[in-house]
Amino acid sequence: KQEVTQIPAALSVPEGENLVLNCSFTDSAIYNLQWFRQDPGKGLTSLLLIQSSQREQTSGRLNASLDKSSGRSTLYIAASQPGDSATYLCAVWMDSSYKLIFGSGTRLLVRP
Amino acid sequence: EPEVTQTPSHQVTQMGQEVILRCVPISNHLYFYWYRQILGQKVEFLVSFYNNEISEKSEIFDDQFSVERPDGSNFTLKIRSTKLEDSAMYFCAGQGSLTDTQYFGPGTRLTVL
Repeated sequence: KQEVTQIPAALSVPEGENLVLNCSFTDSAIYNLQWFRQDPGKGLTSLLLIQSSQREQTSGRLNASLDKSSGRSTLYIAASQPGDSATYLCAVWMDSSYKLIFGSGTRLLVRP
Repeated sequence: EPEVTQTPSHQVTQMGQEVILRCVPISNHLYFYWYRQILGQKVEFLVSFYNNEISEKSEIFDDQFSVERPDGSNFTLKIRSTKLEDSAMYFCAGQGSLTDTQYFGPGTRLTVL
């Protein structure tokens, strides 16, 4: 059974820092991996999608990497801003199913 | 930019009552999903729907739950007889193809008293 884990559970950094959020998964038979942002009480906003054949994807200040064989993904946020404060979720899509399996998220606070 | 909409944003109901949660997916999407998130917990998959059929459902999605897409635009989740433990945020999602990003709605907060 696929398990998705995110470390750390919470992170507080001063504005301007570069930071890395980690996601690991136990079953490497994934089709793709998505990173989402969730603001308190709100829906999920997709940030980046990495197909299993890809190593990384970039969007603005965000860069996500995927190492499928070791079951890891990282989300790198450059030059963090207070507006980046949110919970970041990773989710994997398995080869043999029609669903996303989510981690529990990293709650990020960027202090001005 | 097109977006997924959900109504109502918040629903309060008594235990044992039926509720219907509504979603309007992005118009060219073909695959549809319901997920839920109990307060403080992970987002959990409930059901996936394609070509007017359920593709996959979780253990949570028992006989009390049903989905339909009655008119080609709305996508609904019905809970026949709500329980206290059904209190959660329910998210609808859709995608154009299985390799695409899933786009989520803003959610419906269901409170069962």
